[in-house]
Amino acid sequence: AQSVSQHNHHVILSEAASLELGCNYSYGGTVNLFWYVQYPGQHLQLLLKYFSGDPLVKGIKGFEAEFIKSKFSFNLRKPSVQWSDTAEYFCAVGGGSQGNLIFGKGTKLSVKP
Amino acid sequence: EAGVTQFPSHSVIEKGQTVTLRCDPISGHDNLYWYRRVMGKEIKFLLHFVKESKQDESGMPNNRFLAERTGGTYSTLKVQPAELEDSGVYFCASSQGQGVYYGYTFGSGTRLTVV
Repeated sequence: AQSVSQHNHHVILSEAASLELGCNYSYGGTVNLFWYVQYPGQHLQLLLKYFSGDPLVKGIKGFEAEFIKSKFSFNLRKPSVQWSDTAEYFCAVGGGSQGNLIFGKGTKLSVKP
Repeated sequence: EAGVTQFPSHSVIEKGQTVTLRCDPISGHDNLYWYRRVMGKEIKFLLHFVKESKQDESGMPNNRFLAERTGGTYSTLKVQPAELEDSGVYFCASSQGQGVYYGYTFGSGTRLTVV
């Protein structure tokens, strides 16, 4: 079955701490991977995406993610978080021509000032 | 450019009542998607329109849910009659083309509470 697993439900960090959010997927066929973020009261926004090529992808606001095919993983990282990074983060996978995405359950990140 | 707009932002209804959610996609976006997130669960795909046609409705939970997109512009999602398990956040997204490569713009969602 196609699925996305996010390991952490809620992560609490202090400002300047490093962040790594885990994401593993199970998907047959072409794999395209995404991280979305939802800030409080706002819509889902794309942080970064991986289609092909360099497995280390950089996104907005200093976020990056690494695609490790052998581990079926696409973990999100940021070297130093800020209070404004407090949000919910969603990992998702999608095929090519298929339009829909398969999401994980999300990880809430709380950053203490 | 205006984003994807959803109405209402919140709705509280009693079990057995009818609710209609609306989504206005970005102008010119032929592809429109509905997703739902039940509390504590994943965001799950419901269906996909290309213009006014249903391209994929494999995620619709049952026949109490009816989605329309007359004229290929805005879309409505009607739940009739609503049940307690229908509570959740309903997201709409639009895209210029079909397939994940085109990218999606999401709305802020409608939080539906059935009591």
